[in-house]
Amino acid sequence: GAVVSQHPSWVICKSGTSVKIECRSLDFQATTMFWYRQFPKQSLMLMATSNEGSKATYEQGVEKDKFLINHASLTLSTLTVTSAHPEDSSFYICSARSSSREQFFGPGTRLTVL
Amino acid sequence: AQSVSQHNHHVILSEAASLELGCNYSYGGTVNLFWYVQYPGQHLQLLLKYFSGDPLVKGIKGFEAEFIKSKFSFNLRKPSVQWSDTAEYFCAVSLIGGSQGNLIFGKGTKLSVKP
Repeated sequence: GAVVSQHPSWVICKSGTSVKIECRSLDFQATTMFWYRQFPKQSLMLMATSNEGSKATYEQGVEKDKFLINHASLTLSTLTVTSAHPEDSSFYICSARSSSREQFFGPGTRLTVL
Repeated sequence: AQSVSQHNHHVILSEAASLELGCNYSYGGTVNLFWYVQYPGQHLQLLLKYFSGDPLVKGIKGFEAEFIKSKFSFNLRKPSVQWSDTAEYFCAVSLIGGSQGNLIFGKGTKLSVKP
């Protein structure tokens, strides 16, 4: 199956700093990528939909100025958590949608904000 | 708002026992249905999906799921589980005609299989 990678797999940062997470589709092109957030013992919550070459579509309640998404190419989307705070600590997962409309998920990034 | 409900938070079975994980969704329109599995330390993987046609869908590793439209359900089954099936299972729904086919996930069911 198609492979999606995320980098880094985990990151620890100080409060107030910004963190960038990369999501790459390794063997297919993805015009659409999705960013999810998963809290412990909870489901994946869609944060935003990232379209190559256009602005991301954010779900209700997600601050677009705090979670900056850039989908610069058909194989790369980035999520930047700006001015991170401890409440932003979470597991962030991306997925990439193939031409068959199936979503393939990355391994996730564990963010811990001190 | 559309939602997906998974009835069991944690299921514990012995090897060779039969498995059925419940999934119900709330949406009156046409949907695509998915079951994903997340093994410990690994990323989400697709087990099976239903788009149309035969409501009994067979997936990988001996799993199957049945779409019952009248019950808004898509329960996952396996006749005989193995220790290696220990994982977290997520049901997800994609709304046809919904915004870009976003997936709506259930909260997940953790399956522990005792050897």
